[in-house]
Amino acid sequence: DVKVTQSSRYLVKRTGEKVFLECVQDMDHENMFWYRQDPGLGLRLIYFSYDVKMKEKGDIPEGYSVSREKKERFSLILESASTNQTSMYLCASSLPLAGEQYFGPGTRLTVT
Amino acid sequence: AQKVTQAQTEISVVEKEDVTLDCVYETRDTTYYLFWYKQPPSGELVFLIRRNSFDEQNEISGRYSWNFQKSTSSFNFTITASQVVDSAVYFCALSEALSNYQLIWGAGTKLIIKP
Repeated sequence: DVKVTQSSRYLVKRTGEKVFLECVQDMDHENMFWYRQDPGLGLRLIYFSYDVKMKEKGDIPEGYSVSREKKERFSLILESASTNQTSMYLCASSLPLAGEQYFGPGTRLTVT
Repeated sequence: AQKVTQAQTEISVVEKEDVTLDCVYETRDTTYYLFWYKQPPSGELVFLIRRNSFDEQNEISGRYSWNFQKSTSSFNFTITASQVVDSAVYFCALSEALSNYQLIWGAGTKLIIKP
């Protein structure tokens, strides 16, 4: 079974803090993704990565950065958290090309 | 432009009824893939099925079935004899070669199964 884990289910941070969201997959997938999900806005792609040390911007990269130093790990970084980054964050991984994406349980981040 | 439309925002049925979730897509590409995902109240998105554009065969998996029709650009999902555990938000998604296989998501349909 594919397993994607995320470091926290719930996280509360203060405005201006640096926030790290970690994602680990155990299926040797090349591709990894970070989405955020907000009511009424659906799933929006923040960043993705096709390989170690590679990253590509998604639809809404502003205010975020990512790191992929190892194949199994993909980190999302909020350099200076703001209240409009309160959201559900979902990590996913997949094989190349049109492989289906497998998702982690999500991290519900609240920025106060 | 590529697009996925799930026109049904919310559907509510009584347990044991059959229910169909609609998905209509737009694509410029001849090579593309269609997906369905389930998101139960716990929040985790669960992959259900992937279909490629060259395979229009319908698929059945237990109480779930999928009807792919290129002529109407639809990929509908039917749950037969629904159960309360089927209550979730269901997402349809599209990926195409022209867009480097990024997933384009529908808005989701919230399915409520009442006991």
